Amino acid sequence: EPEVTQTPSHQVTQMGQEVILRCVPISNHLYFYWYRQILGQKVEFLVSFYNNEISEKSEIFDDQFSVERPDGSNFTLKIRSTKLEDSAMYFCASKASDYGYTFGSGTRLTVV
Amino acid sequence: AQRVTQPEKLLSVFKGAPVELKCNYSYSGSPELFWYVQYSRQRLQLLLRHISRESIKGFTADLNKGETSFHLKKPFAQEEDSAMYYCALKRGGNTPLVFGKGTRLSVIA
Repeated sequence: EPEVTQTPSHQVTQMGQEVILRCVPISNHLYFYWYRQILGQKVEFLVSFYNNEISEKSEIFDDQFSVERPDGSNFTLKIRSTKLEDSAMYFCASKASDYGYTFGSGTRLTVV
Repeated sequence: AQRVTQPEKLLSVFKGAPVELKCNYSYSGSPELFWYVQYSRQRLQLLLRHISRESIKGFTADLNKGETSFHLKKPFAQEEDSAMYYCALKRGGNTPLVFGKGTRLSVIA
């Protein structure tokens, strides 16, 4: 069964540093999403991406965040200047039309 | 705005007992409802969606528009059902999911 792949599985970074979280969606999927889950809290939507542009974003997705699909297969989330409160599990998901969302196994980001 | 409420943070049941994980939603339109399961430290996996009306691993869920609920049920819990369960709502099309806070189901042998 095809999977969404996320790397790295765990990233530790110093406050103020930039991080890039990587995702390889399922190859024939067209819609891509990033979610995050702060420890003990619910899964929250960050941003959705379709046709090489952001289709929707939440209020969490401020100027320190950006997404891109640099090479037609990877889908990345960049956090420009990390803060302690960015520590969370970040999930990538992809979707074909008219079907459920397939999630990756997540990247645990720890900002110290 | 849409919201998904899962009132129980933790639910413990004995093996073989019936299980009901509650989910209520608020949304003015016609939502699509999902249940996702997350086994220990694994990815979120789609368990079922209301439009499919299917039964996966013995779980069922019926959308009750009058009560705005989508409770997940299983008649006889198994130990391998122990996991986090998330109810989620989609507004329509390919819009993002809105998740509840999740319920941790613990099945005791």
